[in-house]
Amino acid sequence: SSELTQDPAVSVALGQTVRITCQGDSLRSYYASWYQQKPGQAPVLVIYGKNNRPSGIPDRFSGSSSGNTASLTITGAQAEDEADYYCNSRDSSGNLRVFGGGTKLTVL
Amino acid sequence: QVQLQESGPGLVKPSETLSLTCAVSGYSISSGYYWGWIRQPPGKGLEWIGSIYHSGSTYYNPSLKSRVTISVDTSKNQFSLKLSSVTAADTAVYYCARDRTGYDWAFSDYWGQGTLVTVSS
Repeated sequence: SSELTQDPAVSVALGQTVRITCQGDSLRSYYASWYQQKPGQAPVLVIYGKNNRPSGIPDRFSGSSSGNTASLTITGAQAEDEADYYCNSRDSSGNLRVFGGGTKLTVL
Repeated sequence: QVQLQESGPGLVKPSETLSLTCAVSGYSISSGYYWGWIRQPPGKGLEWIGSIYHSGSTYYNPSLKSRVTISVDTSKNQFSLKLSSVTAADTAVYYCARDRTGYDWAFSDYWGQGTLVTVSS
């Protein structure tokens, strides 16, 4: 399968920890990358590779992977973390890219 | 600082060809990396369209492959997207991005701001 599956919506209390997951067969072979998108803005890369953060991304964002599931964890969620989050990876052939359907994160 | 900027018509008629260009500054396309296009219909998720290597090798989303052409112009430091026979379903914000690919990973580290293309008569 070349699909990546995400929960449509997740909520977290301010300051608590939340995990957003992404499932797909290709994740057994390739790492996911994660993107944060706020309304009206372009996506921003927050995690890539095994668990790497681009410059400027807070260290409360982390990534992990097990089997066919990749996870984005936000430890101590802040109000500004409320956004849509998308996972992305190479497909099973390795040549193409595929996005998950996105997860809307609400910070309560 | 790498910057990408999409440009092109914001309105395209059904059955015509959508054409967009992504101008890159702060990095020379001919130095390497893949360069890609992603789109997002209003209120929906991201869809990968395809990407091109600086040498011209291309990869396309199978669902769009018959209608998509991505090309690169290293002399102008830009790359382009053409999508033929468009319908209302092709209405979306179109983003260009720099793609980085390794043995077991791939990601888009720099994105354009996006441009809305509406397909309507």
